[in-house]
Amino acid sequence: QKEVEQDPGPLSVPEGAIVSLNCTYSNSAFQYFMWYRQYSRKGPELLMYTYSSGNKEDGRFTAQVDKSSKYISLFIRDSQPSDSATYLCAMSVSASKIIFGSGTRLSIRP
Amino acid sequence: SAVISQKPSRDICQRGTSLTIQCQVDSQVTMMFWYRQQPGQSLTLIATANQGSEATYESGFVIDKFPISRPNLTFSTLTVSNMSPEDSSIYLCSVRDTSYEQYFGPGTRLTVT
Repeated sequence: QKEVEQDPGPLSVPEGAIVSLNCTYSNSAFQYFMWYRQYSRKGPELLMYTYSSGNKEDGRFTAQVDKSSKYISLFIRDSQPSDSATYLCAMSVSASKIIFGSGTRLSIRP
Repeated sequence: SAVISQKPSRDICQRGTSLTIQCQVDSQVTMMFWYRQQPGQSLTLIATANQGSEATYESGFVIDKFPISRPNLTFSTLTVSNMSPEDSSIYLCSVRDTSYEQYFGPGTRLTVT
């Protein structure tokens, strides 16, 4: 079993829809949770960073961590074609090695 | 957030040769890392570049194949040695600041023929 599982997609939704991206993990020691966005032929860009459980909101993006279920989510409201990218979840125990999910390819249809 | 640049952005190399990739950060950072990303796949950590000492390599990666230098807190190089087509990949420099947020460079796209 991989430490971090992420549905690879591709996920295609119409513009304006709410998008839900998810990851599950097996290591209960993970404390830091991140979401990265990667456009084609670019490096990953840090979108959201949360410590421990709870929600964090930044504009149209909301990151949610449920440590009891070992489940994290990224919600995108009012999705735009410019949100089309690969989204990678990532997590770590401390200031140490980050484990990345395999990424979900998202496409927003105009 | 740190601004990271990498050189070259892409290269096509012949089997058996070596390529050195440079990573420059616009501010001093605590930790620097090198990752590899195969097409359509996630990120694999190659090594942590330590300032003033030998890099720390992950399982499956060795210094003879991927020598790394980090002469100061803003610069690092990764060399891919004695290349084979299996080394064709995107190589990414990454840095972490004191807030534990980790950032990535634009990547170097390497093709080995």
